[in-house]
Parts: sequence; structure tokens; C-alpha cells
Amino acid sequence: KAGVTQTPRYLIKTRGQQVTLSCSPISGHRSVSWYQQTPGQGLQFLFEYFSETQRNKGNFPGRFSGRQFSNSRSEMNVSTLELGDSALYLCASTLFGQTNTEAFFGQGTRLTVV
Amino acid sequence: DQQVKQNSPSLSVQEGRISILNCDYTNSMFDYFLWYKKYPAEGPTFLISISSIKDKNEDGRFTVFLNKSAKHLSLHIVPSQPGDSAVYFCAASGNQAGTALIFGKGTTLSVSS
Repeated sequence: KAGVTQTPRYLIKTRGQQVTLSCSPISGHRSVSWYQQTPGQGLQFLFEYFSETQRNKGNFPGRFSGRQFSNSRSEMNVSTLELGDSALYLCASTLFGQTNTEAFFGQGTRLTVV
Repeated sequence: DQQVKQNSPSLSVQEGRISILNCDYTNSMFDYFLWYKKYPAEGPTFLISISSIKDKNEDGRFTVFLNKSAKHLSLHIVPSQPGDSAVYFCAASGNQAGTALIFGKGTTLSVSS
């Protein structure tokens, strides 16, 4: 069974640009969550999608957005990039509808903003 | 305001001994807790979890204890092995599932042989 796949693995962008990251969950998993990891703040929850709808949102500015497609694949977008957006962005998928199930993480996309 | 806290940034243990990693939380609505292990430039790997209706869960060398009254959980690794050296994250959820997780900042465990 394939794991969570995130593309691209590495990305370098310039301040002010926008970026789109992609996540393909484990087959059969319908919930996708996104997280940002930085040295200072650790792992922070961005948002969660299920059935193409955002179910939960973390405390991030509106420049951070996401969406989910009918096949459960998800994308997140960051507009007007700032230097502080440099981070490892992680996607996790969960088998929605069952309690006490763990989230499976992808290897992440390392975004560097210069 | 950190809802999940791991107050020890690092822990060093000798091979064969017990490693105890601690985690405190403030939100009483959390009902599911997970521990993840992470290596640099990789995604976190799930280790073990515990529901708020339990106080202990065991899986091989890993045991998680939950003290709800103290809002405290701990991960015990016995015996510790050099391959256990990594960053360990405690995470909490308020929806009985592994979604919308709130993470602690992690504890770096170093196991020396």
C-alpha cells in the first residue's frame, strides 16, 4: 500500500511569489491535514479537509489556503510568500470515520523563501 | 499559548536503560493522544496512541501512560536502543481521531551504546 505522497520535495521561491504544494493520501483515506514545521514553532496545524470541505483550521493568516479534490488529493497554496514561510510542510492522511486512528505523514515539502 | 508542552528539549540515555519522555496538556477537551518519532527531513512516524478513556497502552518496547487529572502523559521506552535516537513529538486531538493534531515542540532523545 503506497504511503502519503507529497510533491515537490524541495522548492525555492522568491518573496512575494505564490506556491502550491500537493498531497496524495493513502488509498481509502479521506481526511487530509496539513502542518507547518519550523525550528522555532515546531509542528503547527494548518487545516484539515474531508470530502472536499475544510473541517478545521489552525491559526494562520489567510495567505494560507487549501482545497481537496473528489479523489481526496489535496493542495495547499501560500500567496505573497514571506521569508518566515520557509518551513517543512507536512501532509497527513487519516481513515475518516473511525475513532482512535493515527495520522500517517508524508515526507514533506521543504519550502525555502529567498 | 501552548496547549501541548514537552518541557524537556533533550534527553540522553544509555542503551538498555529506560527512556521516559513527558508531555503536559492544558485543554481538557483533548480525548486522544499520540506519540510520533521524527528524523530530520522526514515526516513523523506514528509510534503509539492512547484514548482518554484509558490510562495505559502498551506496544512492544513502548508504553504510554495517561494521567488525566494531572493532564500529563508519558512515553516509556524499554529497553532503549541506539536506533531510538530521534525527535519525539507528543500530539493531542479533540475529535477522537488523528486529525487536526496539536503538537508539542518535541524532545530529542539520544541513546548511546
